[in-house]
Amino acid sequence: QQQVKQSPQSLIVQKGGISIINCAYENTAFDYFPWYQQFPGKGPALLIAIRPDVSEKKEGRFTISFNKSAKQFSLHIMDSQPGDSATYFCAGSNQAGTALIFGKGTTLSVSS
Amino acid sequence: DTAVSQTPKYLVTQMGNDKSIKCEQNLGHDTMYWYKQDSKKFLKIMFSYNNKELIINETVPNRFSPKSPDKAHLNLHINSLELGDSAVYFCASSQDDSYNSPLHFGNGTRLTVT
Repeated sequence: QQQVKQSPQSLIVQKGGISIINCAYENTAFDYFPWYQQFPGKGPALLIAIRPDVSEKKEGRFTISFNKSAKQFSLHIMDSQPGDSATYFCAGSNQAGTALIFGKGTTLSVSS
Repeated sequence: DTAVSQTPKYLVTQMGNDKSIKCEQNLGHDTMYWYKQDSKKFLKIMFSYNNKELIINETVPNRFSPKSPDKAHLNLHINSLELGDSAVYFCASSQDDSYNSPLHFGNGTRLTVT
């Protein structure tokens, strides 16, 4: 009930391409869905977040698409760059819950 | 000017030893956390403190004991270390304990138990 399932586990994209990472959640009480980006040797950092009252949120090259009925959301990275190579985590939480529940992460490699 | 700092960065120790990891945040946040990241990079909450009070205590062996002397510090003491404790431990803070308050992570402490 508390899980957030993330796929793929790893992703290789060419420079300039679109990276897409998908997540699905089970707990219908979740109403906050952030994405965190983690570079090697560093802690995760908040990238972008969405609430379920909107279907899409865009910040620069990063877009979250949200499908409430399917309980799925995804991160799209447009014009992917080598500097985007990192591990990306989706997560979910709700007002009555405790801490963020993270997906298992996607390691993105953008080849130049 | 690190916002969330952890020490040490690396910790190598033998089974059965006791060790501590320290964390400090200079963001003025009320809430601090310990997360464990395993070898497959899975991040799992361990503890959370809000204004020095324990608010989250996930299913963690009682060999792990957090201590918050003030709201800017959250330390983690681990007794009788086991091989399975090897992981990267991240401290994090957030402005408050609301469910949508962004987390600010430190750079982690890599614990290796031999």
